[in-house]
Amino acid sequence: EIVLTQSPATLSLSPGERATLSCRASQSVNSYLAWYQQKPGQAPRLLIYDTSNRATGVPARFSGSGSGTDFTLTISSLEPEDFAVYYCQQRNIWPPVTFGGGTKVEIK
Amino acid sequence: EVQLLESGGGLVQAGGSLRLSCAASGFTFINYAMTWVRQAPGKGLEWVSTLSSYGGSTHYADSVKGRFTISRDNSKNTVYLQMNSLRGEDTAVYYCARDQGGSGYTYGIYDTWGQGTLVTVSS
Repeated sequence: EIVLTQSPATLSLSPGERATLSCRASQSVNSYLAWYQQKPGQAPRLLIYDTSNRATGVPARFSGSGSGTDFTLTISSLEPEDFAVYYCQQRNIWPPVTFGGGTKVEIK
Repeated sequence: EVQLLESGGGLVQAGGSLRLSCAASGFTFINYAMTWVRQAPGKGLEWVSTLSSYGGSTHYADSVKGRFTISRDNSKNTVYLQMNSLRGEDTAVYYCARDQGGSGYTYGIYDTWGQGTLVTVSS
């Protein structure tokens, strides 16, 4: 099973700042990594798939990069609605599909 | 509008059974693989099970294998999760999700999610 480790667990930032979230895989997932956003009481929402492809309707301030075992989700300038928990997920070797433990982006 | 609506959650005693349903609308259901993902209270996401678009292929997390069964009724645009021998650690919000593929393939990218249904297993 591929283990995904996200860091930091919590990121405290102000609106307008840049957010950089990390996801590290226990073995290569090639480019098959996705990012999801989850707000309290809501279902997850697909943001990025296959490392860098934005899902339909996702603003351009969200971008993904990386390859192999190290990946990054960047939010270029935080909007108030971006404060949420973010999960990475791999589909390279499954079952099982695995998710990271999440990074909470909170208002500083 | 593409929508998924889960139902069937509730309170059940350990060892009991429950069947979750997920009704789909707004897309050609038969073309898409479907997945269940769960989230224990205050915890992260855990993949549970995936069923291919035509129902010929199923996959399960080790934690539920032998106890849970995923199925679908393409005439009703509905996917099910039959949960037997429930345990306390199965307590979670259960989400159904659509695989992005849409052409009979299973991609493992979940582009549409339902609102979730809460399953509470009491001991």
